[in-house]
Amino acid sequence: GAVVSQHPSRVICKSGTSVKIECRSLDFQATTMFWYRQFPKKSLMLMATSNEGSKATYEQGVEKDKFLINHASLTLSTLTVTSAHPEDSSFYICSASFAGDQPQHFGDGTRLSIL
Amino acid sequence: QKEVEQDPGPLSVPEGAIVSLNCTYSNSAFQYFMWYRQYSRKGPELLMYTYSSGNKEDGRFTAQVDKSSKYISLFIRDSQPSDSATYLCAMRSSGGSQGNLIFGKGTKLSVKP
Repeated sequence: GAVVSQHPSRVICKSGTSVKIECRSLDFQATTMFWYRQFPKKSLMLMATSNEGSKATYEQGVEKDKFLINHASLTLSTLTVTSAHPEDSSFYICSASFAGDQPQHFGDGTRLSIL
Repeated sequence: QKEVEQDPGPLSVPEGAIVSLNCTYSNSAFQYFMWYRQYSRKGPELLMYTYSSGNKEDGRFTAQVDKSSKYISLFIRDSQPSDSATYLCAMRSSGGSQGNLIFGKGTKLSVKP
């Protein structure tokens, strides 16, 4: 149980392109979803927290106009990297939780490469 | 002092060995403790989840939490090459947002056949 699916797993695109990443909880309803960024050999860095039907809460230093998050249903959250540039290249990982005390379950990540 | 300290390794052991992975922390408010396993180019996979102090066992894995020492451990018995991965400890306090999950930097484990 507690499966989180993330799509696509790999994206390579040109600078200036906008990229959308989907995160789905397959067998549970996720009240809260999280988006992380991970640099090589580093731990996860929380970017934002999203609750279904409300605006995402962004961590300090994360540009909300750059990283658009939509949590339209209890099973789907999307992250759109707008006008991506090479410095946005990274490993993006989502997670979901179905209750306040339950642990986060992670997707398999999306490796984004901007040329 | 960082909130969570974890030796990055790498740690190399022979197949069949008992592996001990550890994290220390400074925030006495932490109540929820997790261990995740992350294979290369994959997302973290939840291995163990414990609340407050005590031990928890699941197959070859045992998690221990010692809140008095602010120290948590993950033991892997009869380690296998497939256990080769980076192991992340994570923890948070009760209440507030789940986004306040603090991760260790991860320990890279290699189990040699």
